[in-house]
Amino acid sequence: EDQVTQSPEALRLQEGESSSLNCSYTVSGLRGLFWYRQDPGKGPEFLFTLYSAGEEKEKERLKATLTKKESFLHITAPKPEDSATYLCAVQTTDSWGKFQFGAGTQVVVTP
Amino acid sequence: DTEVTQTPKHLVMGMTNKKSLKCEQHMGHRAMYWYKQKAKKPPELMFVYSYEKLSINESVPSRFSPECPNSSLLNLHLHALQPEDSALYLCASSQDVMGQGGNTIYFGEGSWLTVV
Repeated sequence: EDQVTQSPEALRLQEGESSSLNCSYTVSGLRGLFWYRQDPGKGPEFLFTLYSAGEEKEKERLKATLTKKESFLHITAPKPEDSATYLCAVQTTDSWGKFQFGAGTQVVVTP
Repeated sequence: DTEVTQTPKHLVMGMTNKKSLKCEQHMGHRAMYWYKQKAKKPPELMFVYSYEKLSINESVPSRFSPECPNSSLLNLHLHALQPEDSALYLCASSQDVMGQGGNTIYFGEGSWLTVV
């Protein structure tokens, strides 16, 4: 059975304190792994798509990496505006149209 | 700013009412989705439309009725809902569901539904 697990569930950071979020997956075949950011009461905002092990993507203070078993979202020198829930989702080769989401990591960055 | 637009942003309805949620995208995408999200939970897939045809129905109760009038529009008709159906309803779209590699899905801001 396909599984997507995110850790930690919650993360509290001081402004400027870099950290990483983990998304581990067990799937039959990976078509793509996606990271989203979701602010309270709003829809998920797309951040990155990763397709194959070794791939990396960057955007401002965020960097996403992918291995054959997990993905990391690194937050470098976070600011309070990086506070959000970060969701990881996978699309598998036999899931045709379905995205399996992890439970998310809630990040709070304090000044 | 998201290019998937949902209306209304908030909806309160009684259990005997009939209402609709609307979604529009102008990205030329051919796949559209409805998701339901409860507080502190990830989105749950409800329906997938591919090229204006219903492709996936995740065993959603018939009180939720989707409609795709054209490739840019997606509606969700609501009738005889229960209080437990109160949630954030998210519309999303992607280029298609069968493309090479993964297909990134883009979400709208959501419609908050409260059933009283």
